[in-house]
Order: sequence, then C-alpha cells, then structure tokens
Amino acid sequence: AQTVTQSQPEMSVQEAETVTLSCTYDTSESDYYLFWYKQPPSRQMILVIRQEAYKQQNATENRFSVNFQKAAKSFSLKISDSQLGDAAMYFCAYFQGGSEKLVFGKGTKLTVNP
Amino acid sequence: DTEVTQTPKHLVMGMTNKKSLKCEQHMGHRAMYWYKQKAKKPPELMFVYSYEKLSINESVPSRFSPECPNSSLLNLHLHALQPEDSALYLCASSQDGLAGDTQYFGPGTRLTVL
Repeated sequence: AQTVTQSQPEMSVQEAETVTLSCTYDTSESDYYLFWYKQPPSRQMILVIRQEAYKQQNATENRFSVNFQKAAKSFSLKISDSQLGDAAMYFCAYFQGGSEKLVFGKGTKLTVNP
Repeated sequence: DTEVTQTPKHLVMGMTNKKSLKCEQHMGHRAMYWYKQKAKKPPELMFVYSYEKLSINESVPSRFSPECPNSSLLNLHLHALQPEDSALYLCASSQDGLAGDTQYFGPGTRLTVL
C-alpha cells in the first residue's frame, strides 16, 4: 500500500521568511499525482498545489512552490515570504493513477510568528 | 463557484438518535466523498460515490449509511452511533473521481455523540 510520510509534526517560521515542509512517499507506480492541502484552524481544507508525476517541472502557485524529486520520492513544499494567514495544518497527499483514493500524510502544523 | 456546502455545522446527538448530514455542490462534479477527521489527524476516507453509484466503502460500520440522491447532493445517515464516532465529518467533490482530479472540501460537520 502506498504511504505518505511527513516527518515534521510541527514547524515554525518568522513572518516574511521562507520555510520548507517535507514529504516523502512510497510507491512502485509511475503514474500518480501529489498534492499539498492546507487546513487552517476551524476552517476548511483547501488545495495549495498539485503536481503530476510525469511532469519534470516543479509546480508553483504564487508564494508556494514544490521541490519534486521523483527518484528520491520526495515532494517538499516551500513557502516564501510567509504570512500570518499561512498558519495551518499542511497535509501532503498522494493519488495513484487508476485509483479513487487520496492517501494523506499525518500533517505538519505550521506556526507563523509575527 | 468552487464551493462545497455542508449542513449542519455542528451536531450533538445521543447514542439512540437518528440524524443526517448533508453535503451539496453545484460545480457539476460527478464524484463525491465522505471523510472522517479526528483532531490533529488527517482525514480518513469513508465512502466514494462516482456518478451517483457507491464505488468505495472503506469498511465503515453500518451505523453510517451514505446516500447520493443526485449528482449534486450527498447525505450521510447516522444511527446508533458511539462516542468514538465524535469527529469532524468532511465532504468533498471532484470532477470525475479520477486520479488527477482536485478534491474540493466542505467546511465539515462537527459531530459530538453523547
């Protein structure tokens, strides 16, 4: 079964600085998709960024970018110019081609200090 | 409109009650999901409906009964729940339920079973 590992239960960053959240996954498949979701306290989960495994280019969305290392099975999220509103639980998730199931990591709680 | 709505926001019920959770989306999505999320944990998949047919049941106890009356609406009927069923219940939808589809989450229903 595919697994997703987020080795940092909690992280903190100063406002305006950069932070990187790590995620590794275990799969023998070549067709899959990776996601980062953000869940602020008492608010709904939203998609931060999405990456197709067949694409070499790392996905970016404004201040959010990923470092996708397919051979190493690593999918880290970099948040630049951190803002107070970035404080949330961040979940890395894996979706295998042909499957209907999104597999989540355990999450990393990000605190942004003013 | 990328909104998934869920009602009620909060629900308190006794172990002998029967209640229902409701989820609605108007994005034309054909796949809908129920997840259960305990505090500080990732969401756990319960059910997947694809084109109004139940396609995944993750061995959920029969006291949870899903229903998809049409492509926009998803219900979760609750009966004879246990205190350990207290959690945040999330609904999500995606375009077709395919691997690359982004899942859009609702705000959840916070359920307390007394």
